[in-house]
Amino acid sequence: AQSVTQLGSHVSVSEGALVLLRCNYSSSVPPYLFWYVQYPNQGLQLLLKYTTGATLVKGINGFEAEFKKSETSFHLTKPSAHMSDAAEYFCAVSPNTGGFKTIFGAGTRLFVKA
Amino acid sequence: GAGVSQSPSNKVTEKGKDVELRCDPISGHTALYWYRQSLGQGLEFLIYFQGNSAPDKSGLPSDRFSAERTGGSVSTLTIQRTQQEDSAVYLCASSLDYLSTDTQYFGPGTRLTVL
Repeated sequence: AQSVTQLGSHVSVSEGALVLLRCNYSSSVPPYLFWYVQYPNQGLQLLLKYTTGATLVKGINGFEAEFKKSETSFHLTKPSAHMSDAAEYFCAVSPNTGGFKTIFGAGTRLFVKA
Repeated sequence: GAGVSQSPSNKVTEKGKDVELRCDPISGHTALYWYRQSLGQGLEFLIYFQGNSAPDKSGLPSDRFSAERTGGSVSTLTIQRTQQEDSAVYLCASSLDYLSTDTQYFGPGTRLTVL
């Protein structure tokens, strides 16, 4: 069975600092991987996804994530945090072996300090 | 174009009552998904539709939960005899197709409070 673990339910960074949100997955076969963001009082929207090809994936708003099979990780990074990045971030996986069920992590709330 | 819409945005009900939650997906999207987001927890998959059929209902928490989709468009999630533990935000999403690689587009959710 697939599972997703996001390390840290809350992460706080200063404006301009590096953002690193951690995501590890458990799956017998490397799944497809997603990061979604949920701004306050809004629905989730896709930041980026990895399906095949280049393991470093660039998304919207300057975020990127790297798929590391050996570490079963898909950490999300951004070089310089903006106040507008304050939101909740969800890592998700879905199977690449047929069938469908997207599994979401518990989420990490990002706080950005001025 | 219009995104995914859900109604009502908020619903307060008494324990034991039935509630119906509605989702209007993006026009032309064949796949539709329901999730539940409880306080401090991630999204819990409930059910998905390919067109009007639901191949996998295993995520529904109990037989009090049911969902249908008609005309390949609007979907309703019905909770019968609501319990306090049903209180959560119910999210609907749609995608162009039902491939595992497809991006899901989420609605704003319905916040259900069971008193």
